[in-house]
Amino acid sequence: GENVEQHPSTLSVQEGDSAVIKCTYSDSASNYFPWYKQELGKRPQLIIDIRSNVGEKKDQRIAVTLNKTAKHFSLHITETQPEDSAVYFCAASIGGYSTLTFGKGTMLLVSP
Amino acid sequence: EAGVAQSPRYKIIEKRQSVAFWCNPISGHATLYWYQQILGQGPKLLIQFQNNGVVDDSQLPKDRFSAERLKGVDSTLKIQPAKLEDSAVYLCASSLVGSSGGQETQYFGPGTRLLVL
Repeated sequence: GENVEQHPSTLSVQEGDSAVIKCTYSDSASNYFPWYKQELGKRPQLIIDIRSNVGEKKDQRIAVTLNKTAKHFSLHITETQPEDSAVYFCAASIGGYSTLTFGKGTMLLVSP
Repeated sequence: EAGVAQSPRYKIIEKRQSVAFWCNPISGHATLYWYQQILGQGPKLLIQFQNNGVVDDSQLPKDRFSAERLKGVDSTLKIQPAKLEDSAVYLCASSLVGSSGGQETQYFGPGTRLLVL
């Protein structure tokens, strides 16, 4: 089955810096890659996703890039703010009725 | 629109006891998922329903876990008997029907935090 590796496990940045979280996946058939943000004690919430027919997607300060050849995708957060502090999870799926396989998460801490 | 609802929010039981969790998905969402999230890890799928049929239960420990979605809407997840290692957050999620080529967004409920003593 699919295996998703996520790095780093923790990331500390200063407010205003950029943060990058990377994930690799094993199943070349995967074509859907969402990113979820989970604040302490709260539910995971989708922040951005990308499908395999595009290489990059942006939404304000957040962007995701996908390299299907290398089987990796990354989350980029620019101009980080303290409220960006949370655990971020990447996931992969082959689409349709298939399930999501999650990475182990990255705890992002943005210091003022 | 209302989100995914779950209850209870917290549950403390002793090992070997039974426990049940309830989930109400977003209206119109045919697909329902139960995940187990152990502290410090990502959610792990336990079971996926399409309407009231099971699509994937390959990671469900069937000797102690069971789940049903009798009318294709609400779902219950049961653990009987519970073990210490079952301590986790149990998340329910729902999505629209996945098309043949596209994955639909999964929306998560607030979760049930289970502590087994």
